[in-house]
Amino acid sequence: SAVISQKPSRDICQRGTSLTIQCQVDSQVTMMFWYRQQPGQSLTLIATANQGSEATYESGFVIDKFPISRPNLTFSTLTVSNMSPEDSSIYLCSASSSGSTETQYFGPGTRLLVL
Amino acid sequence: GQNIDQPTEMTATEGAIVQINCTYQTSGFNGLFWYQQHAGEAPTFLSYNVLDGLEEKGRFSSFLSRSKGYSYLLLKELQMKDSASYLCAVRPLDRGSTLGRLYFGRGTQLTVWP
Repeated sequence: SAVISQKPSRDICQRGTSLTIQCQVDSQVTMMFWYRQQPGQSLTLIATANQGSEATYESGFVIDKFPISRPNLTFSTLTVSNMSPEDSSIYLCSASSSGSTETQYFGPGTRLLVL
Repeated sequence: GQNIDQPTEMTATEGAIVQINCTYQTSGFNGLFWYQQHAGEAPTFLSYNVLDGLEEKGRFSSFLSRSKGYSYLLLKELQMKDSASYLCAVRPLDRGSTLGRLYFGRGTQLTVWP
């Protein structure tokens, strides 16, 4: 299994600002994903982070609001841009080693509160 | 689109057996996962089914019927530490840049009483 870390673990931000969340995996993985989990809710997929190319976004999520980078096989960032209180949520990074058949493992999450 | 449905809450007592159901409708299917999530923690993997039938792993078992779009997670010999949210997730039949993504149900909050 992959061990995934995220930074920061939590943050409190002012509306209109941006926050970049980092995700580090301890081994090379094929697929990386970003999810959002709002209070009391389940996980919603934001996008698939593609190594060396633009991320693939789910319906309702756009690159201008959630730019994603994945410069190599072990690291990805998610930026929450021009934040509003509605962006308050837990943001989780996940990874799987071969995509098609492997289990997806999750990072500990980043708790974001926007005032 | 994806439509994944599971009960919101369940309760049971220590030592009992509980079955958490999940129904799904997806555009293509490539596996169903169950995750456990304790409050304030990340989801942890419990089980994976891609073929019909029962997969047993210790106290936990998971069943899948692809023709019915149905799965259940069976927890035996319940312990207090099993109190958590249980998430059903479906992997669609993808290719290329979205391979492996998961869609989650709302989660079932299980409370185990002494």
